[in-house]
Amino acid sequence: QLQLQESGPGLVKPSETLSLTCTVSGGSISRSDYYWGWIRQPPGRGLEWIGSIYYSGTTYYNPSLKSRVTISVDTSKNQFSLKLTSVTAADTAVYYCARHLRTGGRYLFDYWGQGTLVTVSA
Amino acid sequence: QSVLTQPPSVSGAPGQRVTISCTGGSSNIGAGYDVHWYQQLPGSAPKLLIYDYSGRPSGVPDRFSGSRSGTSASLAITWLQAEDEADYYCQSYDSSLREVFGGGTKLTVL
Repeated sequence: QLQLQESGPGLVKPSETLSLTCTVSGGSISRSDYYWGWIRQPPGRGLEWIGSIYYSGTTYYNPSLKSRVTISVDTSKNQFSLKLTSVTAADTAVYYCARHLRTGGRYLFDYWGQGTLVTVSA
Repeated sequence: QSVLTQPPSVSGAPGQRVTISCTGGSSNIGAGYDVHWYQQLPGSAPKLLIYDYSGRPSGVPDRFSGSRSGTSASLAITWLQAEDEADYYCQSYDSSLREVFGGGTKLTVL
């Protein structure tokens, strides 16, 4: 069974960089047809896709966050990572990593991590 | 303001049928991109519930069904049960915005 687990600091100061890692187990991150994505959910609010990466390094980002987001992949560790720069309180959210199917006109998230709360505060 | 519009809340009594709508536009649902639905139980991560408008992943009861009409999609839940109380999100692809979610609908089982 595929499992994803987010890890990283739960508290980040304003203007600093949020960094999270997702570790994939039970399957290879290098499997074709699948991207690996980050989605966030501010407290009490809806879901927002941040961006996704293919094992080759190809990335797609939400245009509204693109200037601040970098997603990278480490196939040797079966991990992918998120960096979000210049954070503000508006970036406080539960951050989820997920497997992202992007093929044949189909764009969906079929496996999710449990999520990790990141609070932006001084 | 979400690209995909859902009602903020719906409710129903056990045993009843409820539907949740997801309205898009010409750059997403109207452009032919599939709609998927996720169920988020309280305190949990979202879970894929319906894919490609009406497909059900293994393990999802057939009480859950999906459909499409023009630039909208709908999720129907029959024989409502207390355990169905959750937030439900639709998701699609938008030609200008990439992957997009609806604002979510809170289902209350009375």
